[in-house]
Amino acid sequence: NAGVTQTPKFQVLKTGQSMTLQCAQDMNHEYMSWYRQDPGMGLRLIHYSVGAGITDQGEVPNGYNVSRSTTEDFPLRLLSAAPSQTSVYFCASSSSPGQGASQPQHFGDGTRLSIL
Amino acid sequence: AQSVTQPDIHITVSEGASLELRCNYSYGATPYLFWYVQSPGQGLQLLLKYFSGDTLVQGIKGFEAEFKRSQSSFNLRKPSVHWSDAAEYFCAVGPGGYNKLIFGAGTRLAVHP
Repeated sequence: NAGVTQTPKFQVLKTGQSMTLQCAQDMNHEYMSWYRQDPGMGLRLIHYSVGAGITDQGEVPNGYNVSRSTTEDFPLRLLSAAPSQTSVYFCASSSSPGQGASQPQHFGDGTRLSIL
Repeated sequence: AQSVTQPDIHITVSEGASLELRCNYSYGATPYLFWYVQSPGQGLQLLLKYFSGDTLVQGIKGFEAEFKRSQSSFNLRKPSVHWSDAAEYFCAVGPGGYNKLIFGAGTRLAVHP
């Protein structure tokens, strides 16, 4: 089925460990983004990309890196995990205005990350 | 600064009753406004959106929302709630359409049979 696929669904890390959250979409969407969801705070934008090779910071980028080498993939890297990064992470994609009528963001099912 | 406020953290209604979820925003220009729903363990699904034009917008699952510029509000309504509507609802504003959304903290809806 077409959509946004996130892996893994669950992960437990120790403080200081690194890991990459994977996100892939098969809708040829130019725009992809990463959000974190914390209780009582809604979703906050971490990083986003408007196309392959182009990324920018969102509201809460510190502690996270991204890259966009292909249209399909947009991985999120935690270089040195901290307990404050315990959260649920959502990847989303949408078409950009340059692709015609802008389409709503499709969200993945999330990655639940715990940092001990 | 752009912001979205959902004043109600939890709302409980009886099945068949009407529903209104409140959303207020702060934004300097004409906003793009959205309502999303999130079922437990799932991602977000777009219910409806307002970009321009008619201030009463219809969405999926029988939901509607009304944009009131004078009140900076975009409240979500449904005339008769079903048990399957129990979920968390998020209001969001986007400066450029669907992208770079700013979300409210969410309202969790419980439905009594």
